[in-house]
Amino acid sequence: AQTVTQSQPEMSVQEAETVTLSCTYDTSENNYYLFWYKQPPSRQMILVIRQEAYKQQNATENRFSVNFQKAAKSFSLKISDSQLGDTAMYFCAFTEGAQKLVFGQGTRLTINP
Amino acid sequence: EAGVVQSPRYKIIEKKQPVAFWCNPISGHNTLYWYRQNLGQGPELLIRYENEEAVDDSQLPKDRFSAERLKGVDSTLKIQPAELGDSAVYLCASSLDGALAVEQFFGPGTRLTVL
Repeated sequence: AQTVTQSQPEMSVQEAETVTLSCTYDTSENNYYLFWYKQPPSRQMILVIRQEAYKQQNATENRFSVNFQKAAKSFSLKISDSQLGDTAMYFCAFTEGAQKLVFGQGTRLTINP
Repeated sequence: EAGVVQSPRYKIIEKKQPVAFWCNPISGHNTLYWYRQNLGQGPELLIRYENEEAVDDSQLPKDRFSAERLKGVDSTLKIQPAELGDSAVYLCASSLDGALAVEQFFGPGTRLTVL
């Protein structure tokens, strides 16, 4: 069974700093997709970034980038120049296709002014 | 483009009462998902629909939970009777068809409190 593990329950950084959230996963499949979702107090799950396993190049979206290490089954999220609006729960998620998403336990990120 | 719509946003009931949640997916999205998110945890899939067909309901507690997606658009998730342990956020998501349609779009969720 696929599992996703986020080992950092909480993190806190100062505004404008860079922060990295960790995620590891377990699968026997070769083709799959990885995501980072942000969930603010409003509860709306917002897609931050996605990575296709067959792509070697790490995905980037503005201030957000990932470090995808397929052999190590690691998928970390880096947030550069952090902003107050980045404060939220962050979930790492995995899917093999148009099926269910398997989520990690989440990391509560707080950006302090 | 309108997002996934869910109602109600909040629901408080007493145990043993019935409750229902409604979801309207993004127009054109044939795949619909219901997830349950317990406090401090990530969401877990309850059921997945492809059009009107429930293709994965293995995690749905069928003794008290039921779901339907008539006409392959809107969906309703019901709990009867509710138990204290059902307190959670119920999230609906939708996606396009096909193996490449991996991105799921989520609604704002319904927070259920069972007293």
